[in-house]
Amino acid sequence: DTGVSQDPRHKITKRGQNVTFRCDPISEHNRLYWYRQTLGQGPEFLTYFQNEAQLEKSRLLSDRFSAERPKGSFSTLEIQRTEQGDSAMYLCASSALAGGTYEQYFGPGTRLTVT
Amino acid sequence: GNSVTQMEGPVTLSEEAFLTINCTYTATGYPSLFWYVQYPGEGLQLLLKATKADDKGSNKGFEATYRKETTSFHLEKGSVQVSDSAVYFCALPYNNNDMRFGAGTRLTVKP
Repeated sequence: DTGVSQDPRHKITKRGQNVTFRCDPISEHNRLYWYRQTLGQGPEFLTYFQNEAQLEKSRLLSDRFSAERPKGSFSTLEIQRTEQGDSAMYLCASSALAGGTYEQYFGPGTRLTVT
Repeated sequence: GNSVTQMEGPVTLSEEAFLTINCTYTATGYPSLFWYVQYPGEGLQLLLKATKADDKGSNKGFEATYRKETTSFHLEKGSVQVSDSAVYFCALPYNNNDMRFGAGTRLTVKP
């Protein structure tokens, strides 16, 4: 297995456009997480899935954001009507229970620039 | 809720110098503690972890000991290399569902 992958790695869009990002987790991992990271800060939790069920959403996830994991494998994160404040690195992670802990493995991230 | 506080950076060291990056935590119970590293242009990689009090996590010459008396999990390395230049994040689970990260400490090692 090659780890968590994300596509695209970079996205530049104009304000008001919609964008969609994809994350492919490690195949045997049942949990998948989305985080947002702005410059000089640590990642901030957005949402997570256990299999296909979205179990938790942060208040950071406004109505313009939606995430899906339809078959419990890959996930998509869509941002509608993008704003300049959405510019950030969007990180995906996956995990499985091991030794009582969900150890998270991160993908390389998608860097979004809204102009 | 659970949280971590990490020493502010940036930190600049010469090659072979000793490194300490401080991290303290606030938590209910004794959750696992983690250090992640982010190299330029990349995602986060798990560097090391400790799952219970007094555990020492270690990897690639880095070490951190889970100390409940001082609620700390400081990262140390005896002799840093230029290739260790990166941003280091202390982290812990918030509610077993997501991780809470410190703000990160940028380390630059000069030859």
